[in-house]
Amino acid sequence: DTAVSQTPKYLVTQMGNDKSIKCEQNLGHDTMYWYKQDSKKFLKIMFSYNNKELIINETVPNRFSPKSPDKAHLNLHINSLELGDSAVYFCASSHGAWGTEAFFGQGTRLTVV
Amino acid sequence: EDQVTQSPEALRLQEGESSSLNCSYTVSGLRGLFWYRQDPGKGPEFLFTLYSAGEEKEKERLKATLTKKESFLHITAPKPEDSATYLCAVQATGAQKLVFGQGTRLTINP
Repeated sequence: DTAVSQTPKYLVTQMGNDKSIKCEQNLGHDTMYWYKQDSKKFLKIMFSYNNKELIINETVPNRFSPKSPDKAHLNLHINSLELGDSAVYFCASSHGAWGTEAFFGQGTRLTVV
Repeated sequence: EDQVTQSPEALRLQEGESSSLNCSYTVSGLRGLFWYRQDPGKGPEFLFTLYSAGEEKEKERLKATLTKKESFLHITAPKPEDSATYLCAVQATGAQKLVFGQGTRLTINP
C-alpha cells in the first residue's frame, strides 16, 4: 500500500493552462505539505495544512492554490502556468508539524512548454 | 534567515570505502535536524532526526551526529545500494517548516 500517493506522476502542459495535482495519504496523519524541487534539487516548502487548516504559506504566487477537502487529501491547483513553474512537486504528510518525520510521495514532474 | 549547506555536492566512493557527508546549518534556535535519502525519480525517505548537540543515531551502515553548527552522516563500508542523494534539513525553534540543503549525491562503485 502506498502511504502518500500523488497523481499524475508526469504532467506536460502548455503555458497559460490550468492544472491540478492530487495527493492522498493513508497514514492517518494530520499534517500535509506541498514542496517544490527545482532543477538544482533544492526542496522548498510551499504550503502546509494541519487538520485542513492552512498553517504555512510561503512566498508563492497567487496562481498556486492548495485545497484540503479532508485530512487525508491535499490538492494543488495551478492557474495560468508559466515556464518557470516547471519542477518536481512533492506532497508529504506527518503526524503533527513539530519535529516529526515527514513521508513523501513519489513526486509529480511538471513540464510547462 | 535559516540556511543549510551540504558538502560535498557529489561524492564517488568505492564499495567498502568509508566517508562522511557534511551538513552545516545556521538557525536562530534548532528544534531538529533531519536526514533524508532520495533515490532518482522518488520522494525523499526519512532516515534520522537529531535534536541536540552530541546526539548520535545509527541505521545499518549510516550514523548521524550533531554539533551546534553542523551534522555529519558517516557511512561505513558502503555498498552500491547506498548510492542516492542525501538531504539534510533543519527545523528552527518555533517554526513549522523544514529548510533543506541542496543535497549530496553519493555514488558507490562496485
